[in-house]
Amino acid sequence: GAGVSQSPRYKVAKRGQDVALRCDPISGHVSLFWYQQALGQGPEFLTYFQNEAQLDKSGLPSDRFFAERPEGSVSTLKIQRTQQEDSAVYLCASSQYRDQPQHFGDGTRLSIL
Amino acid sequence: AQTVTQSQPEMSVQEAETVTLSCTYDTSENNYYLFWYKQPPSRQMILVIRQEAYKQQNATENRFSVNFQKAAKSFSLKISDSQLGDTAMYFCAFMKHEMNDMRFGAGTRLTVKP
Repeated sequence: GAGVSQSPRYKVAKRGQDVALRCDPISGHVSLFWYQQALGQGPEFLTYFQNEAQLDKSGLPSDRFFAERPEGSVSTLKIQRTQQEDSAVYLCASSQYRDQPQHFGDGTRLSIL
Repeated sequence: AQTVTQSQPEMSVQEAETVTLSCTYDTSENNYYLFWYKQPPSRQMILVIRQEAYKQQNATENRFSVNFQKAAKSFSLKISDSQLGDTAMYFCAFMKHEMNDMRFGAGTRLTVKP
């Protein structure tokens, strides 16, 4: 596609449920990033992939958060046993290489009830 | 740790006028990138302008220009001839050279009034 695609656009889950958020980057982009954006705040870095390798997961807030990119294209961010503080917009971005400008998707708004 | 500060939570400007958004950052690094992103209500972050720290010349993209003061660690965005479509949240961001995590400020909500 022409841009970064994220699905679903909105996700509502009950506390304790597991959720999976999908990111389809721009074709050919080596680098993929996940960010968490709380209401009224700027995005915060979660994790970075270079192709299928997860090279940096320093921003993941707990071991309930897990991300993968098994074939070096589509990525999934999984949150297990969701809690209310996980409510946020989750943004995915991709770039040709690490230092190149990042292109963002529209994000997934996650609401935990 | 690098921090990015945007001291103006909200700003407004009349259509066709000029507005400047402020950003300061804190780092001990010498090689880094600075960015301004625009986020309209649709949520998609759109890159407005990018500055490489080793370049002294200020970046310009059409009506958007920056005033990069490396010694003062300041990176302001000037929007000339403001248009209604410029209404959005604007985020200043910092990234060290050859690193992965981009650090964002808290944002400035800009409203362009007709």
